[in-house]
Amino acid sequence: GQQVMQIPQYQHVQEGEDFTTYCNSSTTLSNIQWYKQRPGGHPVFLIQLVKSGEVKKQKRLTFQFGEAKKNSSLHITATQTTDVGTYFCAGFLNSGYALNFGKGTSLLVTP
Amino acid sequence: DTGVSQDPRHKITKRGQNVTFRCDPISEHNRLYWYRQTLGQGPEFLTYFQNEAQLEKSRLLSDRFSAERPKGSFSTLEIQRTEQGDSAMYLCASSLAMGRAYNSPLHFGNGTRLTVT
Repeated sequence: GQQVMQIPQYQHVQEGEDFTTYCNSSTTLSNIQWYKQRPGGHPVFLIQLVKSGEVKKQKRLTFQFGEAKKNSSLHITATQTTDVGTYFCAGFLNSGYALNFGKGTSLLVTP
Repeated sequence: DTGVSQDPRHKITKRGQNVTFRCDPISEHNRLYWYRQTLGQGPEFLTYFQNEAQLEKSRLLSDRFSAERPKGSFSTLEIQRTEQGDSAMYLCASSLAMGRAYNSPLHFGNGTRLTVT
């Protein structure tokens, strides 16, 4: 089963509101990746975090990796309708090659 | 377009039939992954190849599933004696290995949607 958990499962916001999705792992991750999947599309890589406590920004998106490397978050400031989609976190466990995905958070933005 | 390509895009089959899917990764990528995704779920890992070697296989994968990557280029995923529970989107992804210390992003194909009737 999936060892990476995400909350919330769904989020509906008005355009301009902020959005945050949280990712938690039962085990320490060597690194964590975030992907976005638009409706009807395939997952597209957004960013990778490697270091404990790392924070990275991409325009309105801010990604954080926890100090214990067991949790991560994605925060979107002032959402736009183009942000609609499902956001997945995915982690490599220290012992394996498999990239384990969470169930994702589906974001709906209404104008 | 030099991205990951998968064939076919859609496959409808009757329960009990065998099906085979093909994935052509990005040419210089040596890592290849197969995932399965159902509605409302994240991609579920099935198996991983580095070049032609199958290095990891999900414990959830029954023996009806088999994957190959001859010569380390394209890959095939075969499902024997399909069941209705096999209906899903099958995604292939590739990446370029740069050592265990760094894991490259996965580039996904558009997937093959399997419907078992």
